[in-house]
Amino acid sequence: QVQLVQSGAEVRKPGASVKVSCKASGYTFNDYYLHWVRQAPGEGLEWMGWINPNSGGTNSAYKFEGRVTMTRDTSIRTAYMELRRLTSDDTAVYYCARGPREIMIPAPTLGTWGHGTLVTVSS
Amino acid sequence: QSALTQPASVSGSPGQSITISCTGTSSDIGDYDSVSWYQQHPGKAPKLLIFDVSNRPSGVSNRFSGSKAGNTASLTISGLQAEDGAEYYCSSYTNSRGVFGTGTKVTVL
Repeated sequence: QVQLVQSGAEVRKPGASVKVSCKASGYTFNDYYLHWVRQAPGEGLEWMGWINPNSGGTNSAYKFEGRVTMTRDTSIRTAYMELRRLTSDDTAVYYCARGPREIMIPAPTLGTWGHGTLVTVSS
Repeated sequence: QSALTQPASVSGSPGQSITISCTGTSSDIGDYDSVSWYQQHPGKAPKLLIFDVSNRPSGVSNRFSGSKAGNTASLTISGLQAEDGAEYYCSSYTNSRGVFGTGTKVTVL
């Protein structure tokens, strides 16, 4: 079955960076967009960006431009999301989720989600 | 890329029907038929209920239905059940990016 397994919880100090991984199984990794979504405690879902695992192409929400990098390693079917210059406002659960086929538009049609990775930013 | 607007809360009695609205702009909902709806229970990852405005993934109850008119999308839950009490989010494609709604808490009275 399609599955996304994310890395474990992280704690960082303000100003630091964090890199979250998302390992895919049960489907052809290169064939589907992967999106990143976060959710601060008690808040709603916030779309962060997508990566096309086939081409490596990415796009991110305007508010994260210059601070987020999304990459992938196709040999181990894993995508990564790195967020830099962390502040307490970045404390959230970060999800990866499988999007549409990469031949389609990268809409946030997210059928399979990872379990989420809690990132806590605290001094 | 502002969040789509949803009512903060909607409630209904078991067996009733409720509708959740999701209002965007001509740059997102109004321009693409890529509206999705998600259900999220506390502490859980979201679950896709509706994609491409009105399509249900396999395994999702036909009590959930979606529609769109202009810049506003809607999710209707018919025959409301206790387990439908959750948070609901819409999403849309916009200019090669995505955007979520503000979320709606559904309470089953």
